[in-house]
Amino acid sequence: SYELTQPPSVSVSPGQTARITCSGDALPKQSAYWYQQKPGQAPVLVIFKDSERPSGIPERFSGSNSGTVVTLTISGVQAEDEADYYCQSADSGGSLWVFGGGTELTVL
Amino acid sequence: QVQLQESGPGLVKPSETLSLTCTVSGDSIRSYYWSWIRQPPGKGLEWIGYMYYSGRTKHNPSLKSRVTMSGDTSKNQISLKLTSVTAADTAVYYCARWFGIEGMDSSFHFYGMDVWGQGTTVTVSS
Repeated sequence: SYELTQPPSVSVSPGQTARITCSGDALPKQSAYWYQQKPGQAPVLVIFKDSERPSGIPERFSGSNSGTVVTLTISGVQAEDEADYYCQSADSGGSLWVFGGGTELTVL
Repeated sequence: QVQLQESGPGLVKPSETLSLTCTVSGDSIRSYYWSWIRQPPGKGLEWIGYMYYSGRTKHNPSLKSRVTMSGDTSKNQISLKLTSVTAADTAVYYCARWFGIEGMDSSFHFYGMDVWGQGTTVTVSS
């Protein structure tokens, strides 16, 4: 099996920068993807291939990869960014896809 | 734009088979790969698998041989069957587009699950 580890929760004040990490042994080899999920809604892709932003996603969302840890950064956090965030990636062989346990972002 | 809509029974008895359909509108299922994801109540996301309409599939080994995914091009639908269900299979089930491009060397460059259905709740209970 393969696991991705995220902090359960992150809290920031409006306008500050939120950083959500995701760690996994295969992340130096496999790209990471990030999804935002608000209560009662389906997830939304906010970052693909570690740092690429889909069209329609605000520029304040960015991603980075530092070996076994990838980070989702939300600059100038807004109240509407309050949600659960999940990272996704594959094991070193690319066969098993997994999600991290999710991080609840609270905007104070 | 592509839209997805899951459908199926909301209640399934233990040991029976869960069957869900995802109707794709706005494009042909032949154009992309498609995936299933589930989320138990109050918990995180779990990847079930992805498929191409021609039959190429890959699923989460944790589900062993209980999973079958297929596509119906005449109806532009994809389907999921999960056999021998238990209470642990109670979840919201999502279908999503597994967006990517096949390379010249048959490799697949994944760009994320960029379109999702709204999800359908399935409860396993007698």
